[in-house]
Amino acid sequence: GQQVMQIPQYQHVQEGEDFTTYCNSSTTLSNIQWYKQRPGGHPVFLIQLVKSGEVKKQKRLTFQFGEAKKNSSLHITATQTTDVGTYFCAGYDYKLSFGAGTTVTVRA
Amino acid sequence: DARVTQTPRDKVTEMGQEVTMRCQPILGHNTVFWYRQTMMQGLELLAYFRNRAPLDDSGMPKDRFSAEMPDATLATLKIQPSEPRDSAVYFCASQEALGYEQFFGPGTRLTVL
Repeated sequence: GQQVMQIPQYQHVQEGEDFTTYCNSSTTLSNIQWYKQRPGGHPVFLIQLVKSGEVKKQKRLTFQFGEAKKNSSLHITATQTTDVGTYFCAGYDYKLSFGAGTTVTVRA
Repeated sequence: DARVTQTPRDKVTEMGQEVTMRCQPILGHNTVFWYRQTMMQGLELLAYFRNRAPLDDSGMPKDRFSAEMPDATLATLKIQPSEPRDSAVYFCASQEALGYEQFFGPGTRLTVL
């Protein structure tokens, strides 16, 4: 069955630094979605990528969908304390499968 | 401001008791999901409905869990009997159509003693 793997599981970042979290699927995906969950909150949709090689930006966040539509990445530049939380990728094949998430903490 | 609502927000119960969680999806959304989140297992899909019909409940322990959509404005997840290992946060999410973004409710934090 479809599996979505996400690395790293934890990311400790110095404020102002950049980091990237990666998502890999065992199958080709129709699309991939990214969600953010703040501590104590619920997942909130960030973005959806559909096309092979697609790149989308939201301010300091850059999302990329691989050419083979089996992997994706989220790159955050100049990390801020507001970026704290868990970032999930969710790959859609015949159903949406969530990765385990990357939990981000920020050192001020 | 359309949002998914869930009740109760917190539930503490004793092992063996029945637990019912309710979800009101966003009006007009035809797909509803139930997820369970724990530290160990992460976010697990339990079941989902489209146009009130169950499409996939393979992630749900059938012997004690049941999910229904009595009407388009209400989804329920029932556990009977509950066990301590059921302790988790249960999220409901709704979606306008398959493949679109999911809108999550605030969750029900269940503690089974």
